[in-house]
Amino acid sequence: GAGVSQTPSNKVTEKGKYVELRCDPISGHTALYWYRQSLGQGPEFLIYFQGTGAADDSGLPNDRFFAVRPEGSVSTLKIQRTERGDSAVYLCASSLGLDRYETQYFGPGTRLLVL
Amino acid sequence: AQSVTQLDSQVPVFEEAPVELRCNYSSSVSVYLFWYVQYPNQGLQLLLKYLSGSTLVKGINGFEAEFNKSQTSFHLRKPSVHISDTAEYFCACLRTNTGFQKLVFGTGTRLLVSP
Repeated sequence: GAGVSQTPSNKVTEKGKYVELRCDPISGHTALYWYRQSLGQGPEFLIYFQGTGAADDSGLPNDRFFAVRPEGSVSTLKIQRTERGDSAVYLCASSLGLDRYETQYFGPGTRLLVL
Repeated sequence: AQSVTQLDSQVPVFEEAPVELRCNYSSSVSVYLFWYVQYPNQGLQLLLKYLSGSTLVKGINGFEAEFNKSQTSFHLRKPSVHISDTAEYFCACLRTNTGFQKLVFGTGTRLLVSP
């Protein structure tokens, strides 16, 4: 079946602009995660959804970052007033949401470049 | 808090040679450890995971890892590598101070397999 998809695959924007990154999880997966991977680093947790609610948003770096999942499926990560330091690959993952040890399935990521 | 360290940023190896990618963890509580692989322009894929039980864990693509509590290590091994194993490998642990599956990743090891 289809895996996790993310759009766009690449996004170039200017400092101060607003961007939205989309994640389409595997069908039937109730758990959804966002991670950020900076150059030369491993992915860092941003936020976790169980269904429509953000169960853990402790990884969001500041209030410019916000994510939603209104219908419990597709999620959008929103970044306001982008800064050059926001440049990174943003990864989305999903899992069944039944067991804390279950496998997370990752999408290919969105590469964001803030000029 | 739980964390993992990957000391080798890059490991060059010849095709058909054995390889070991090192991962050390830091935790005073139960640990749950994972190895993920990231091929160019693709999402992270789970290779294997250790939750409990046998300390030798076998994964996909001929990889295996051994959980060593006394050395706080979870090194990844393959007896004979292929060119197609060239990728970035990430060790990760599960942060267990919450009820959610928050993965904490190492900085990654780039495996370069040459003919």
